[in-house]
Amino acid sequence: EAGVVQSPRYKIIEKKQPVAFWCNPISGHNTLYWYRQNLGQGPELLIRYENEEAVDDSQLPKDRFSAERLKGVDSTLKIQPAELGDSAVYLCASSFPWEGVYEQYFGPGTRLTVT
Amino acid sequence: SQQGEEDPQALSIQEGENATMNCSYKTSINNLQWYRQNSGRGLVHLILIRSNEREKHSGRLRVTLDTSKKSSSLLITASRAADTASYFCATEPQKLVFGQGTRLTINP
Repeated sequence: EAGVVQSPRYKIIEKKQPVAFWCNPISGHNTLYWYRQNLGQGPELLIRYENEEAVDDSQLPKDRFSAERLKGVDSTLKIQPAELGDSAVYLCASSFPWEGVYEQYFGPGTRLTVT
Repeated sequence: SQQGEEDPQALSIQEGENATMNCSYKTSINNLQWYRQNSGRGLVHLILIRSNEREKHSGRLRVTLDTSKKSSSLLITASRAADTASYFCATEPQKLVFGQGTRLTINP
């Protein structure tokens, strides 16, 4: 079974430029998550989707970040414009509830460097 | 803010020894999960313990949960070099909230 796929794996951009990350979840997983992980820290949730609906975007900096999940499958996370502080690893995860538990499967992440 | 806090922040032991790391959290939980992250395989789910469970085993892993103290521990027995990674606890309800992790190094 294929895991969560993310692209690109690495991205280097200059500040004020836009950037987009793509995620393809595990087939059949209707819940999709975007996390940001800073160096030496645990992942922090940015947004959670149930199918096409964003059910938790309270941590998403909406002035510069946007996300979409068309048709309830693939998802894109965008930053425009990027700032130096956005340098981090962006992780996508997906899950399917089993007995009320959401065990999450993570992709390899996109390492973003903003210069 | 992150609810789970792992302790210690870093741990270095010899191969074959047991490694114990702890997690404390602040609010009521439905379950607590432990994840491992290394450069080769990314972030991987290890084990889940529900709030009504006190202990759980999976291979060389043993997890305990004390809801009265709002704490959990992860024991890795007979450690191997491949266990070198960062270990995170994450709590639920509604969404997983990760701690800062314990960086475990297994020395050959």
